[in-house]
Amino acid sequence: AQSVSQHNHHVILSEAASLELGCNYSYGGTVNLFWYVQYPGQHLQLLLKYFSGDPLVKGIKGFEAEFIKSKFSFNLRKPSVQWSDTAEYFCAVNAGDSNYQLIWGAGTKLIIKP
Amino acid sequence: DAGVTQSPTHLIKTRGQQVTLRCSPKSGHDTVSWYQQALGQGPQFIFQYYEEEERQRGNFPDRFSGHQFPNYSSELNVNALLLGDSALYLCASSFQGNIQYFGAGTRLSVL
Repeated sequence: AQSVSQHNHHVILSEAASLELGCNYSYGGTVNLFWYVQYPGQHLQLLLKYFSGDPLVKGIKGFEAEFIKSKFSFNLRKPSVQWSDTAEYFCAVNAGDSNYQLIWGAGTKLIIKP
Repeated sequence: DAGVTQSPTHLIKTRGQQVTLRCSPKSGHDTVSWYQQALGQGPQFIFQYYEEEERQRGNFPDRFSGHQFPNYSSELNVNALLLGDSALYLCASSFQGNIQYFGAGTRLSVL
């Protein structure tokens, strides 16, 4: 069965630190990849997506992610985090043609200390 | 432009009861997906509706059923509620199943 793994359930960083959140998926075919963010008290919002083309994708609020097909990974990065980045981050995969469901990781709770 | 709206926001039911949750998609969207999110976990896909038909279904029992109306809004029905059905139920809308946009969810508690 297809699955998505997020390596860290909780991450605590200080402001201005660099961030990398890991995401690995298990599916050998064509995939669409997503990172969603959920700020405290808010609904899930799309942070960035990869469908095809340049494996380095840029999203909102200075986030970027790199698709490495050989490693089945789609890690999220930000060079310098801010207190306002405190949120829960979810990686999701849509795997294969005519497959409309998103398969989700368990999420990473990120806390930024001011 | 209204985003995805869900109602109600919170609901308390007892075991064995039935519940109906509602979702209005974002303007211009024609596809609605439903997800269940248990505490501390990522969402789990229940099913997706497109052109008023269930297009794809996840690994959920038949107690979970849905409907999509001509105006693209959707309902999720759960029969014979179990304690384990307590969760946040998320609705997501999209145009023809592409990028999904989420509502705030309905928190269901089964006592």
